[in-house]
Amino acid sequence: EADIYQTPRYLVIGTGKKITLECSQTMGHDKMYWYQQDPGMELHLIHYSYGVNSTEKGDLSSESTVSRIRTEHFPLTLESARPSHTSQYLCASSEGGGGPQHFGDGTRLSIL
Amino acid sequence: AQKITQTQPGMFVQEKEAVTLDCTYDTSDQSYGLFWYKQPSSGEMIFLIYQGSYDEQNATEGRYSLNFQKARKSANLVISASQLGDSAMYFCAMRELGYQLTFGKGTKLSVIP
Repeated sequence: EADIYQTPRYLVIGTGKKITLECSQTMGHDKMYWYQQDPGMELHLIHYSYGVNSTEKGDLSSESTVSRIRTEHFPLTLESARPSHTSQYLCASSEGGGGPQHFGDGTRLSIL
Repeated sequence: AQKITQTQPGMFVQEKEAVTLDCTYDTSDQSYGLFWYKQPSSGEMIFLIYQGSYDEQNATEGRYSLNFQKARKSANLVISASQLGDSAMYFCAMRELGYQLTFGKGTKLSVIP
């Protein structure tokens, strides 16, 4: 059973606010990922990390930033939220050897 | 070109019947992995089944099996004895070099009582 947690589950907030979406996992996985998904659409990778102090941008350009100071924690930050950031954000982690990615429940973000 | 193609935006299946969800992929790598995930309306992604490119046997996990045809570059998901709780979006994904996944656009499965 995968143990990966995302908070908040839902967030409705005004334009211009700074937002941090939290993601934590208790499995000791080195690899972590953030995906963005619009309703009914495919997932797009926006950031990933293969270990502490290692972060890379994914295929989809995003105005968000991430950090990886601890193995278990991979927060995503939007410095100034805009309506175009409205989406679902899914965090995932995986162990080495190419095993499946395990996902959190997601954060549904709505920017007014 | 799309790396993962799921040609069925929506599918209907009668309860207790089997259903096949199509997935074709495009890669020039010899080593790759194929995954299927289920996404209920609540939004979480649930891992279902995995097939490695060098696996000779089709993967099976309970009611889920993966029909892997390497020459055709297809990795179809077969769900046997459909249940109402199987109603969800289903995504096919591929891992090539590295650990990132590329997802298809998904198929929405509706199970009819």
